[in-house]
Amino acid sequence: NAGVMQNPRHLVRRRGQEARLRCSPMKGHSHVYWYRQLPEEGLKFMVYLQKENIIDESGMPKERFSAEFPKEGPSILRIQQVVRGDSAAYFCASSPSGGYQETQYFGPGTRLLVL
Amino acid sequence: AQKVTQAQTEISVVEKEDVTLDCVYETRDTTYYLFWYKQPPSGELVFLIRRNSFDEQNEISGRYSWNFQKSTSSFNFTITASQVVDSAVYFCALSGYTNAGKSTFGDGTTLTVKP
Repeated sequence: NAGVMQNPRHLVRRRGQEARLRCSPMKGHSHVYWYRQLPEEGLKFMVYLQKENIIDESGMPKERFSAEFPKEGPSILRIQQVVRGDSAAYFCASSPSGGYQETQYFGPGTRLLVL
Repeated sequence: AQKVTQAQTEISVVEKEDVTLDCVYETRDTTYYLFWYKQPPSGELVFLIRRNSFDEQNEISGRYSWNFQKSTSSFNFTITASQVVDSAVYFCALSGYTNAGKSTFGDGTTLTVKP
């Protein structure tokens, strides 16, 4: 009964490089959410996806950030041309269906460090 | 708009003391869910409880209890007879009907339980 999987757990990038963060939801879950946690802060919503669809991306920066959840394979959060301010923990969560009533189960997070 | 406030940034107690973590929320939705998560030093997010806006009954689970008061928009969390293993950051979160999938988190309360 595997939980939400995220990889890598730690990622180091130099300024200007690309970061790709992967998230495999729990079995049977078709809804994925990405959150960002800056140091000493709470989680901030970034994007909500269903298979092949972006439902809500209102929390995601307009530039350099993109997310996808293809029909097959994990959800990917992509950050192009990373800057030091992108250093944070990125958490993925999943739920069986969308909706405000659903409990979101979180993965262990990816800690991104930009040098 | 949704907002969650955890006014206590840090709390330190001695083992076996009781401790209450406060959570106050704001939402225009009449239907919503409230959540508590625990983030231990290892960094993952552990789901603790979900409560809907129509259920104001207090809940107890072992040493944990939750007090939901709609009149004051609060959803407080009490740990009885605290233990060192309770040391963690605790987050309160809100998911409203009109913000499906977009949970709003408080900034967290860091609880330190000293032996």
